[in-house]
Amino acid sequence: DQQVKQNSPSLSVQEGRISILNCDYTNSMFDYFLWYKKYPAEGPTFLISISSIKDKNEDGRFTVFLNKSAKHLSLHIVPSQPGDSAVYFCAARIRFRGSTLGRLYFGRGTQLTVWP
Amino acid sequence: KAGVTQTPRYLIKTRGQQVTLSCSPISGHRSVSWYQQTPGQGLQFLFEYFSETQRNKGNFPGRFSGRQFSNSRSEMNVSTLELGDSALYLCASSYDQGASTDTQYFGPGTRLTVL
Repeated sequence: DQQVKQNSPSLSVQEGRISILNCDYTNSMFDYFLWYKKYPAEGPTFLISISSIKDKNEDGRFTVFLNKSAKHLSLHIVPSQPGDSAVYFCAARIRFRGSTLGRLYFGRGTQLTVWP
Repeated sequence: KAGVTQTPRYLIKTRGQQVTLSCSPISGHRSVSWYQQTPGQGLQFLFEYFSETQRNKGNFPGRFSGRQFSNSRSEMNVSTLELGDSALYLCASSYDQGASTDTQYFGPGTRLTVL
């Protein structure tokens, strides 16, 4: 049961343009969302996160938007650079009975390719 | 601060053997989680440890087990290896102060190949 879905397995964008990676979720108990970037044979690297009480979080070229009513979040990268080429994972976490459980639920990932 | 470290980085075993993987969390982090990544299933949660106790467990058979030591270092063990256990095993640590914004940081992973 995939509670976090990334429906686009790949995305190709020209350098300097905007990259938009999308993620949908089904569990309304998710309260914290994270994006990770992953290169082959390496562990995921934390990129940016957003709490469910916010609808936008920005960090340099990276912005994450959260639409709770639609159960949708997106990661915007502006401007895109060739070094951004990697697999991007969306992840979500549940807050249960006032405590945060450590488990992350991951999407299947989107391969972003930024070409010159 | 040093990141999450995992040893060994690569491992080749044969079916029926058992294997132990090790994870050292970021200094001061108290929670350690383990994930399995395969091409077909993506990143699947195995279990989470906090203060030497398993706090959360994913849907994996009992052949997969783990533990955490008093210094927060963790090990996971897979017994009676099967071909399907071939995967990248990732460890993640977090401070876990109870805040909803606590973030998990991943190690480089251990690539396990079962022949």
